[in-house]
Amino acid sequence: SYVLTQPPSVSVAPGQTARIPCEEHNIGIKSVHWYQQKPGQAPVLVVYDDDDRPSGIPERFSGSNSGNTATLTISRVEAGDEADFYCQLWDVGSDHWVFGGGTKLTVL
Amino acid sequence: QVQLVESGGTLVKPGGSLRLSCAASGFSFSDNYMSWIRQAPGKGLEWVSFIGADGISIYYRDSVKGRFAISRDNAKNSVYLQMKGLRAEDTAVYYCAGGKRLRKAFDIWGQGTMVTVS
Repeated sequence: SYVLTQPPSVSVAPGQTARIPCEEHNIGIKSVHWYQQKPGQAPVLVVYDDDDRPSGIPERFSGSNSGNTATLTISRVEAGDEADFYCQLWDVGSDHWVFGGGTKLTVL
Repeated sequence: QVQLVESGGTLVKPGGSLRLSCAASGFSFSDNYMSWIRQAPGKGLEWVSFIGADGISIYYRDSVKGRFAISRDNAKNSVYLQMKGLRAEDTAVYYCAGGKRLRKAFDIWGQGTMVTVS
């Protein structure tokens, strides 16, 4: 079964680029999705299938996935981007859905 | 607008039972798979159960298998989670979430309902 590993926290200055990794052996062969959760709110899908954005999600949010690491990239970070971010995949073999432990993004 | 509204969360004693409901509106519910996903206080997201759009494919995480049962009523645009044998570690906000993407991402989320087992 998959165990998705994320760093507990990432900090970045406004206007800079934040990169949030999600690691698992051979994750590059899976499709990874990313969610943003602000305090007291439900999660919101920001990237699906590694690198696609749902309608309404700014182009500043992008994703990539290769080898053992999937990455959510947030360009030109804004104060309003502060949130917890979770990666997730569907393990077809076991029909289980797996979430990473989450990464708290702090905008300095 | 697209909306999921959960209900049924409350304080329950260990060993007790509870039924959560999730009402959908603003989208074609019968085209969407649905899941229950929980979040313990101060913790991350944890998938609990899945039901396919037609109600036939059903899956559970191991720790709730045999204790929880997911179901849906497409005529009522609702999905349910029947929980029994509740344990302290089941304490969490329970979200219902849905989607219709090939790789099973969750586009639509409710605001959650709190279940406290104590």
